[in-house]
Amino acid sequence: ELKVEQNPLFLSMQEGKNYTIYCNYSTTSDRLYWYRQDPGKSLESLFVLLSNGAVKQEGRLMASLDTKARLSTLHITAAVHDLSATYFCAVDEEGGSQGNLIFGKGTKLSVKP
Amino acid sequence: GAVVSQHPSRVICKSGTSVKIECRSLDFQATTMFWYRQFPKQSLMLMATSNEGSKATYEQGVEKDKFLINHASLTLSTLTVTSAHPEDSSFYICSARNRAYGYTFGSGTRLTVV
Repeated sequence: ELKVEQNPLFLSMQEGKNYTIYCNYSTTSDRLYWYRQDPGKSLESLFVLLSNGAVKQEGRLMASLDTKARLSTLHITAAVHDLSATYFCAVDEEGGSQGNLIFGKGTKLSVKP
Repeated sequence: GAVVSQHPSRVICKSGTSVKIECRSLDFQATTMFWYRQFPKQSLMLMATSNEGSKATYEQGVEKDKFLINHASLTLSTLTVTSAHPEDSSFYICSARNRAYGYTFGSGTRLTVV
């Protein structure tokens, strides 16, 4: 059974600081997704990582994937209040063949002035 | 880009009644759609997978007679919550899968059963 673990689950940080959210998964997969969810809203796609060593950046967020370590990271650079949200990573259950998505528990990020 | 429309966005119903939620892929054909449920402060939990023209596959612990899923066309899947009870109150999100676009999520439906 595929398990996806995120840490930390809660993150309170000051504006301007850097931090990393980690996502570990338990089975082989070369396809990992990061989503953002604002309160009361659905999921917004942030990144799709499709291969080992993949790195993608958008604004203050950068995601990477190490399939050998079964680890993905979401790095936040110089955080701003607008980044406050819950971030989920998700992995294809069938290891990249587009089966079900299995989600981590989410990381609730709060950026304080 | 791929767009999935989900309606209604909010619904309040009385205990014992049924509620239908629609999920439409607007500009692509979705061979597979997924239905998730999310309780407050929790992650998304997969309820069922529906494939066009065949019966849905339900996850363990999800009552198929209570949560009826129909995927009659390549652009429409519906979830009907039958005989709703307050414990069914939740945020329901659909997702459509397509080889070209990957996964696209609907905007969610907030169901409140009173």
